[in-house]
Amino acid sequence: DQQVKQNSPSLSVQEGRISILNCDYTNSMFDYFLWYKKYPAEGPTFLISISSIKDKNEDGRFTVFLNKSAKHLSLHIVPSQPGDSAVYFCAASGRNQFYFGTGTSLTVIP
Amino acid sequence: DAGVTQSPTHLIKTRGQQVTLRCSPKSGHDTVSWYQQALGQGPQFIFQYYEEEERQRGNFPDRFSGHQFPNYSSELNVNALLLGDSALYLCASSLVPGAQETQYFGPGTRLLVL
Repeated sequence: DQQVKQNSPSLSVQEGRISILNCDYTNSMFDYFLWYKKYPAEGPTFLISISSIKDKNEDGRFTVFLNKSAKHLSLHIVPSQPGDSAVYFCAASGRNQFYFGTGTSLTVIP
Repeated sequence: DAGVTQSPTHLIKTRGQQVTLRCSPKSGHDTVSWYQQALGQGPQFIFQYYEEEERQRGNFPDRFSGHQFPNYSSELNVNALLLGDSALYLCASSLVPGAQETQYFGPGTRLLVL
C-alpha cells in the first residue's frame, strides 16, 4: 500500500522557469513532510521540510506547500537551474513511521 | 569527514543465501537507519538502531535483522534471500532518532539475488 505517491515519474523544465513537483499522501496521521534530492550513485540528501501546522515553508529557491485537506504537497523550484536535475523524493512521517514516495526525475534544460 | 560509508558497493547472491551489509555512520552520529529501494520505487524503511537496540521497524519480515556496535556502526543481515530482495540498500545516520531532516544517507549497496 503506497501511502505516499508521486504520480509524475519525470518532469522537464527550461532553465530559469519554475519546476513544480507534486506529492500526495493517504494517511492523515502524517505530521511532518520532507523533500529529498538524489543524484546518481549517491544517497538522497535532505532539501526542505514542512510541519503539518504550516502550509508553506521557503528556503531560497525552494518552497514547499502543504494542503492538508487535499493531502497534497508540492515543491516549487524558482528559478530552475541545470544543477537541479536529479530525482526528487517526497517523504512523510508520523507515529514513528516514515514513508518515501516513488520519486520524480527532474531534468532542467539549459 | 567521510560521511556515511557503506560496504560492499555491489553484491551478487543466489536464492536461499544469507547476506551481511555494513554501514559506518557520519562522525558524531549515533543513530542508524536502513532502507530498501527497489528499482523504480522510493526507499522503504526497514529499521532504526539507537544505543545498540532496534528502536523502530518497518513492514519487513524477520529475515531482515540488524545489529549496531558500540562504535555506532551497523550491519544489516538478510537470511534466506529471495529474488525480490534485489534492491539498493541505503543506510542513513542521524544525531538523534526520528530526526529525518538531519539524516545523512550513504551511497548504498546494490544487491542482486539470482
